[in-house]
Amino acid sequence: GQNIDQPTEMTATEGAIVQINCTYQTSGFNGLFWYQQHAGEAPTFLSYNVLDGLEEKGRFSSFLSRSKGYSYLLLKELQMKDSASYLCAVRVNNAGNMLTFGGGTRLMVKP
Amino acid sequence: NAGVTQTPKFRILKIGQSMTLQCTQDMNHNYMYWYRQDPGMGLKLIYYSVGAGITDKGEVPNGYNVSRSTTEDFPLRLELAAPSQTSVYFCASSLSRTAGDTQYFGPGTRLTVL
Repeated sequence: GQNIDQPTEMTATEGAIVQINCTYQTSGFNGLFWYQQHAGEAPTFLSYNVLDGLEEKGRFSSFLSRSKGYSYLLLKELQMKDSASYLCAVRVNNAGNMLTFGGGTRLMVKP
Repeated sequence: NAGVTQTPKFRILKIGQSMTLQCTQDMNHNYMYWYRQDPGMGLKLIYYSVGAGITDKGEVPNGYNVSRSTTEDFPLRLELAAPSQTSVYFCASSLSRTAGDTQYFGPGTRLTVL
């Protein structure tokens, strides 16, 4: 089976930087995704890592270390609209391109 | 493109009733998925399909059935609704299993079973 862990909740201040961690245990690893989900809405794709290192996309960056089973999502220059849940999902080698999701991290951005 | 659409948006069922949650995508994606999300939790895979006529179970398939007669449609059937099936249901699709192909989600169906 697969096990994916991320903190349940985090709080940060507008304009600051926040790092959301995700650890996973799996066999046949084939990529890690981060999704953003605002309350009452569908998840939307943020980033994808399959090789070790940092992927940067504007204010958002995602890092992966396959040997440590570890990823983080870094959000810079936080805005109030970044208040949402952030879901870490792992894909393994399988026929269906299936993802296994962590429980999500609810981020609250305060003024 | 409308992307992934789901109907209905909300539904209340009585215990023992049945219903079908509809999902349609217009992106010509081969892969489609059904997830459920309980309050404050992540998504759990119910069923998935890799193409028309092919379906397979995910992590939590009990109490559900699916069919995939066309590329566009992937309905989810609840035969005997139970309170444990109260959840938000998301349908998703992806083009293929190529590295980096992300899943696109529909807006969800909020189901309450009383």
